[in-house]
Amino acid sequence: EDKVVQSPLSLVVHEGDTVTLNCSYEVTNFRSLLWYKQEKKAPTFLFMLTSSGIEKKSGRLSSILDKKELFSILNITATQTGDSAVYLCAVIRAGNMLTFGGGTRLMVKP
Amino acid sequence: NAGVTQTPKFQVLKTGQSMTLQCAQDMNHEYMSWYRQDPGMGLRLIHYSVGAGITDQGEVPNGYNVSRSTTEDFPLRLLSAAPSQTSVYFCASSHDRVTNTGELFFGEGSRLTVL
Repeated sequence: EDKVVQSPLSLVVHEGDTVTLNCSYEVTNFRSLLWYKQEKKAPTFLFMLTSSGIEKKSGRLSSILDKKELFSILNITATQTGDSAVYLCAVIRAGNMLTFGGGTRLMVKP
Repeated sequence: NAGVTQTPKFQVLKTGQSMTLQCAQDMNHEYMSWYRQDPGMGLRLIHYSVGAGITDQGEVPNGYNVSRSTTEDFPLRLLSAAPSQTSVYFCASSHDRVTNTGELFFGEGSRLTVL
């Protein structure tokens, strides 16, 4: 059975801290791994990772994929209260199928 | 630019009732999909469509029907609602095969409660 597991389930940090969110997967016909941020309502796209070892970066957020060990991490440096959200990891399998993990809830305190 | 519009935002049903969740996008996206989100379980794919006239089952299709008669609309039908279908439902679209871009545009969600 295909599965995507995120850890930790939740995390509380203070502004300025650096956090690392984890996503491990076991799926057949892996194509790519995605990260989304979900604040109050709809998830918004962050990154798509297809190749191992190539870091994707956007401002204070960065992510990398390890296809040998079947995991990805999402790093957020110098966290701000606006980073508080649920972060979702998803894997694209062949045939346009997406499997999402359960999410990591991040709370950043002032 | 409306993006992806879902209606209704909230709905309460009794067991056995039927209803349709509407989804419309104005971005000329070929790919559309429906997800349900339950606490601690992330998003699970119900049905998806890669173009008008084409639909396919996702991970949890039982109890739901879809159709795609136009590029813009992708309604989700519950034929006989059950309490297990209480959830938040998201419609999402993509301008290309999701395997190419990964970027899904989500609607704001529809919270459904089945009593």
